[in-house]
Amino acid sequence: DADVTQTPRNRITKTGKRIMLECSQTKGHDRMYWYRQDPGLGLQLIYYSFDVKDINKGEISDGYSVSRQAQAKFSLSLESAIPNQTALYFCATSDGTARPDTQYFGPGTRLTVL
Amino acid sequence: QKEVEQNSGPLSVPEGAIASLNCTYSDRGSQSFFWYRQYSGKSPELIMSIYSNGDKEDGRFTAQLNKASQYVSLLIRDSQPSDSATYLCAVNKGKSNYQLIWGAGTKLIIKP
Repeated sequence: DADVTQTPRNRITKTGKRIMLECSQTKGHDRMYWYRQDPGLGLQLIYYSFDVKDINKGEISDGYSVSRQAQAKFSLSLESAIPNQTALYFCATSDGTARPDTQYFGPGTRLTVL
Repeated sequence: QKEVEQNSGPLSVPEGAIASLNCTYSDRGSQSFFWYRQYSGKSPELIMSIYSNGDKEDGRFTAQLNKASQYVSLLIRDSQPSDSATYLCAVNKGKSNYQLIWGAGTKLIIKP
């Protein structure tokens, strides 16, 4: 089984809809991250969490919210989806104690907002 | 200037040759450097990380770091068609050991 899983893998939604992307991990890592990737651009950090009570905004948090339900689960919500949120979304985890602290990625969710 | 810059490519290399991928970064405080490989539509997977100046070898892959010149490179020896992918360079932001700044990636094509 994959260490980092994401659901759904593909999602098509309409403008204005609320959607949630979910991430689960079995790596036992404390740190979890949400990124988006647009064609031709580098990964951009949306939110990150060091533990259940420690959640932080990344570079592009506007229009997104997150919830860390447990050490192993980190969800990303789009409260009111808009077309420019169409992108590939990745969840990642890291141990936090290693140096360097390597991030491991889930398979991604391809989101299309019409 | 972008914080992490990579030539977008595509870089075309014959099978069996050495592929050389380069990345420059702007933050002199960065201490950790990563190369990830990403196949089309798939997630990034770690190839190598490097922390100290010099070379680090792992199988067919060698990462080279030069902090004075602010560049990191990845060499792939005996390139195989399966190496065809986009290679992403990531650099930690300042002294942070968690926040990464990503390059847009170099697309590598290995021609049989």
